[in-house]
Amino acid sequence: GQNIDQPTEMTATEGAIVQINCTYQTSGFNGLFWYQQHAGEAPTFLSYNVLDGLEEKGRFSSFLSRSKGYSYLLLKELQMKDSASYLCASMDSNYQLIWGAGTKLIIKP
Amino acid sequence: NAGVTQTPKFRVLKTGQSMTLLCAQDMNHEYMYWYRQDPGMGLRLIHYSVGEGTTAKGEVPDGYNVSRLKKQNFLLGLESAAPSQTSVYFCASSSPGEVETQYFGPGTRLLVL
Repeated sequence: GQNIDQPTEMTATEGAIVQINCTYQTSGFNGLFWYQQHAGEAPTFLSYNVLDGLEEKGRFSSFLSRSKGYSYLLLKELQMKDSASYLCASMDSNYQLIWGAGTKLIIKP
Repeated sequence: NAGVTQTPKFRVLKTGQSMTLLCAQDMNHEYMYWYRQDPGMGLRLIHYSVGEGTTAKGEVPDGYNVSRLKKQNFLLGLESAAPSQTSVYFCASSSPGEVETQYFGPGTRLLVL
């Protein structure tokens, strides 16, 4: 079956670094997406990885290891506005996104 | 550009009632999707469309119907609402290409009593 696993909730301190892990198992693979979703709002695109390695985009970076079925999202210099849920999604062989339940990130001052 | 818009934003239905959720996008995207989001679960695909006049079933299509008569609009219908359909419904659109990023609407919160 298809499955995406990520932690339910994480807590971090303002100014610190946090890593949110995601493991995936899908029928085929056409890329790994990370989305951010603030409470009561729509998901917004953060990053896309299809090749192994690290993609850096400002304070956010995303890593992929296809052989391990593993990805992480790294958030640096955390700000209070980063408090949100972070959704991991794998694109399967039919180009459909299979979504994890999301990781709720709580930032404390 | 408004992006992806959804109407209504919130609705309360009684069991057995029907309703239609409207999604519109002004980005000229080929693909459109309807998802539902429930607590503790990932987004689940209800139906999707890869072009005007075409629709296909997703992971959880039962109890829903869709239509894509115009490229910019994707309608989701609930024929006879049930309490299990209480959820937040998101519409999304994307364009075929190297990175098929999906752009989401603001969501419709539906409560079925």
